[in-house]
Amino acid sequence: DQQVKQNSPSLSVQEGRISILNCDYTNSMFDYFLWYKKYPAEGPTFLISISSIKDKNEDGRFTVFLNKSAKHLSLHIVPSQPGDSAVYFCAASARSSSNTGKLIFGQGTTLQVKP
Amino acid sequence: GAVVSQHPSWVICKSGTSVKIECRSLDFQATTMFWYRQFPKQSLMLMATSNEGSKATYEQGVEKDKFLINHASLTLSTLTVTSAHPEDSSFYICSARDPGIGLAGQETQYFGPGTRLLVL
Repeated sequence: DQQVKQNSPSLSVQEGRISILNCDYTNSMFDYFLWYKKYPAEGPTFLISISSIKDKNEDGRFTVFLNKSAKHLSLHIVPSQPGDSAVYFCAASARSSSNTGKLIFGQGTTLQVKP
Repeated sequence: GAVVSQHPSWVICKSGTSVKIECRSLDFQATTMFWYRQFPKQSLMLMATSNEGSKATYEQGVEKDKFLINHASLTLSTLTVTSAHPEDSSFYICSARDPGIGLAGQETQYFGPGTRLLVL
């Protein structure tokens, strides 16, 4: 049961253009969403997050959009740079009585930014 | 962001031996840490939630007697792979929540660099 899905395994973008990475979820209890960037043989690096009370959060070149009705979020990177080439994971969590903050990850999208 | 370290970064061991991996939060105290496993070209799979001062919570399908977790202090959690077999070879990653930022249950998790385990 894949609760968080990244349906595009890979994406190739020209340097300077916009990269749009998509993520869908099925659990309506999710209320906090995060994007991580990961290089091979390294741990994920936190990029940006968004709470369900918002529909947009921006941090420099990175913007995350949340569409709760569609259970969809996206990460926009603009302008894209070759150093952005990595695997991007979206993750979601749901507040509960246990408050564990457990994250559910998508499968990841490999972004390649071409010079 | 907060810094989480892992040690060792890679380890090769013989089948049947035990391997301990350490996860430390360097600049914050973490009452909760998480252990993940990643197979090549796959997503991160949560193995267990490590709680300081209490027993770990294991995900379905994860053998608690094989993957021993100890959260001895607010900055250290250890994962011990007991009686390792070649199928345990994987990339193990820990993360820690920084409770100082965000709403309860919405704290950002910061990840360690990972440990590559190869069991021969």
